[in-house]
Amino acid sequence: GAVVSQHPSWVICKSGTSVKIECRSLDFQATTMFWYRQFPKQSLMLMATSNEGSKATYEQGVEKDKFLINHASLTLSTLTVTSAHPEDSSFYICSAERTGSPNYGYTFGSGTRLTVV
Amino acid sequence: QKEVEQNSGPLSVPEGAIASLNCTYSDRGSQSFFWYRQYSGKSPELIMFIYSNGDKEDGRFTAQLNKASQYVSLLIRDSQPSDSATYLCAVNIGVNSGYALNFGKGTSLLVTP
Repeated sequence: GAVVSQHPSWVICKSGTSVKIECRSLDFQATTMFWYRQFPKQSLMLMATSNEGSKATYEQGVEKDKFLINHASLTLSTLTVTSAHPEDSSFYICSAERTGSPNYGYTFGSGTRLTVV
Repeated sequence: QKEVEQNSGPLSVPEGAIASLNCTYSDRGSQSFFWYRQYSGKSPELIMFIYSNGDKEDGRFTAQLNKASQYVSLLIRDSQPSDSATYLCAVNIGVNSGYALNFGKGTSLLVTP
């Protein structure tokens, strides 16, 4: 089955530093990857849609200069949280869509728990 | 704002009973519908998807879709304690690539032994 590998699974960083989260599709090509954020007891909120080779599309209220997304290849997308602050502490999850599949082909990464201290 | 609504619960059912989870959505253009299960601290895992009105069965799970009423449900038969989790309803407005899923807040299910 389709597998999306997400790293790191958890990270603790100091306020003001940057953190990079990677998502790799291991056995399929992902033209489109989605980045979600989930706060405790809340649902997944879409942050941005990233398409291979083009700029990401950010949802309203998500700062594109703070959450840098790079989707340089069909198997790798990265999310960099720049100048992280405690309010950025959350569970970040990527989702990849298998190229050419109907839209049931969404696969989620295992998530990254970010804690900013 | 396109809404996906779920009762947050918790929904408590005894082991072996049927658990019924409900979801409504606001966008009439929605094309496909998904149920995910999420354990605490983990990412969601797909249980079922459904596109057409009616029922779709997969093992102990049955998804039901009524587009006229903008309603989708998930039935879990013979509920097990391991089914205790948060169940997320997700809706997609498109059938082609590039559309993100819109998630509800989830219903917490507790299956008691």
